[in-house]
Amino acid sequence: QKEVEQDPGPLSVPEGAIVSLNCTYSNSAFQYFMWYRQYSRKGPELLMYTYSSGNKEDGRFTAQVDKSSKYISLFIRDSQPSDSATYLCAMSLYGGATNKLIFGTGTLLAVQP
Amino acid sequence: NAGVTQTPKFRVLKTGQSMTLLCAQDMNHEYMYWYRQDPGMGLRLIHYSVGEGTTAKGEVPDGYNVSRLKKQNFLLGLESAAPSQTSVYFCASSYAILWGGGIQETQYFGPGTRLLVL
Repeated sequence: QKEVEQDPGPLSVPEGAIVSLNCTYSNSAFQYFMWYRQYSRKGPELLMYTYSSGNKEDGRFTAQVDKSSKYISLFIRDSQPSDSATYLCAMSLYGGATNKLIFGTGTLLAVQP
Repeated sequence: NAGVTQTPKFRVLKTGQSMTLLCAQDMNHEYMYWYRQDPGMGLRLIHYSVGEGTTAKGEVPDGYNVSRLKKQNFLLGLESAAPSQTSVYFCASSYAILWGGGIQETQYFGPGTRLLVL
């Protein structure tokens, strides 16, 4: 079993829809949770960074962490065609550079105009 | 700022050949990383460096070597390429900041190098 599981999709939604992307994990010691967006043939870019449980909002994006269920989510409101990309979740035990990020395999999202 | 750049963008090798992938960053970051990305496997850490002259093994280091002679550059070497090393390679650099919720580290990724080993 992988430490981090993510549905690969593809997930296709109409423009303006609310998108929910999810990851589950097995290591209850993870404390730092991230979402990266990766456009086709590009490198990932950090979207959201959260510590421990709770919600974090940034514009149309909301990251949610439920440590009791070992489940994290990324919600995208009013989705746009420019949101079409692969979304990777990542998590780590500790903050800082010497700890390692564990990535999910990514969910491919297509927002149809 | 160019951010993180990688050369080459694409390369085809024959089994047994060697090559070096170059990563450069102009953000004065202390930390640098090499990942590989394969379908169904996600991003996996190969090697990383927490400063000039230091390197450490990641999750999948076998068959690769690295060097960080200058702070801004991180080189990934394949001494004898194998078909299993066909992948997309990403370099990243980062810094860490302290905040009320702990330590936040933001990794900035390069555009990737596509490597095909025949």
